[in-house]
Amino acid sequence: DAGITQSPRHKVTETGTPVTLRCHQTENHRYMYWYRQDPGHGLRLIHYSYGVKDTDKGEVSDGYSVSRSKTEDFLLTLESATSSQTSVYFCAISGTSGGIFYNEQFFGPGTRLTVL
Amino acid sequence: AQSVSQHNHHVILSEAASLELGCNYSYGGTVNLFWYVQYPGQHLQLLLKYFSGDPLVKGIKGFEAEFIKSKFSFNLRKPSVQWSDTAEYFCAVNVGGGGNKLTFGTGTQLKVEL
Repeated sequence: DAGITQSPRHKVTETGTPVTLRCHQTENHRYMYWYRQDPGHGLRLIHYSYGVKDTDKGEVSDGYSVSRSKTEDFLLTLESATSSQTSVYFCAISGTSGGIFYNEQFFGPGTRLTVL
Repeated sequence: AQSVSQHNHHVILSEAASLELGCNYSYGGTVNLFWYVQYPGQHLQLLLKYFSGDPLVKGIKGFEAEFIKSKFSFNLRKPSVQWSDTAEYFCAVNVGGGGNKLTFGTGTQLKVEL
C-alpha cells in the first residue's frame, strides 16, 4: 500500500466548530486530493493540490478550505462544521515516485467525521 | 463536465456466478479509465486501469474490463465470483488536463452469497 496516513481516523464534533483533517504521504507524489464519500454519491472531489501552496477547488468545495505547506502534508479544514458534512473523508495521491509516473490515485484509510 | 454512470447499484450473486458491472462515461475525447474496489471498512484499492492499447484489460484477483469506445463503456467482468469479492466497486474516469483528477461513479454494491 502507498504510504498515506490520515488523522484522526474518527472524529465527533459539534455544529459550528472548526475541524482540521490531516493527510500525510511518504511517497513524494506531486498531486494530493480530498474526497468525501456518501451513500448514493460515490466519491466527490472537495479540493486538490498540484504542488506546495498550489490548490484548486473540486466539485463540492463550499464550506471547506485546504492548505499544503509541505509536499507530504495536505490539510482539509471545515471552517464551521455542519451536519451535512458528516461523511467519510478520503485523501488520495498521484504523480511520480521513483521515476515512475502514476496516473492512478492511491487512497488513504479514511476519516469518519460525525457532526452533531 | 464529464460524468460516470454505474447503472447497477446493488448486485447479489451466488458464488461461482459470472459478474458484469456496467460503467458508462460522458466524454468524447481521450480518457483514462479505472475500476476501484472498496472492501467493507477499508479504503479504495485499484483493480485495473486502461490508458491505451488493448481494450481488454486484466487486473488483479481475476477481474477484467473491456473498453468500448463507441459505446463509451468500460464494463467490469469476472467469470466466477467468490464470497470474498463482496465489496463496493467504483468506476472512474480521468479526462486529462491539470491535476490528474478523477470523476467517480456512484458505485455498485456487490454481495456474493455462499
